[in-house]
Amino acid sequence: SQTIHQWPATLVQPVGSPLSLECTVEGTSNPNLYWYRQAAGRGLQLLFYSVGIGQISSEVPQNLSASRPQDRQFILSSKKLLLSDSGFYLCAWSVTGQGNTIYFGEGSWLTVV
Amino acid sequence: AQSVTQLGSHVSVSEGALVLLRCNYSSSVPPYLFWYVQYPNQGLQLLLKYTSAATLVKGINGFEAEFKKSETSFHLTKPSAHMSDAAEYFCAVSPSGGSNYKLTFGKGTLLTVNP
Repeated sequence: SQTIHQWPATLVQPVGSPLSLECTVEGTSNPNLYWYRQAAGRGLQLLFYSVGIGQISSEVPQNLSASRPQDRQFILSSKKLLLSDSGFYLCAWSVTGQGNTIYFGEGSWLTVV
Repeated sequence: AQSVTQLGSHVSVSEGALVLLRCNYSSSVPPYLFWYVQYPNQGLQLLLKYTSAATLVKGINGFEAEFKKSETSFHLTKPSAHMSDAAEYFCAVSPSGGSNYKLTFGKGTLLTVNP
């Protein structure tokens, strides 16, 4: 069966510091990978998605970037965090042709102070 | 283009009462529709999905939803609420077809269950 791992679960970082959130998927190959952010009262915002290694699409301009160095690894990064980057970040995966169902990781709480 | 509107950001029911969470969608092509549940400080878990088969879809934990094309709705129901149903629920839509893989989510409905 497929599983998704996301870490760290919680993170408190000062303004201006770098960020790295990692996500790996097991039990499937060539998944579509996603990073979402969830802020209070604002639902889920799609930040990045990737359909293959090195293929990253950004949905919104922002202070963040994403990379996919391996087929089942997805990394969310920032060089300098802003207060507005605080939120709950969710990694997710899907497989094309399987009804567009997206499966989510457990999420990472980021607090920028 | 597609969008989802969840009517009511907060719904409160008594334990044992009917749960009804409303979702209306807009899509220029036949849609796939989903309901997800999120418990506090956790990721989203798929409850059920409609992918153009039966219009009444049964999911986990006793939930079901009915696709009504004429009303562009996909409301989520459960006959009898349980305390463990307290969570946030998200409706989502995507175009049908295997090449499109992005979901558009509603803003969520927080369900409170009172004893």
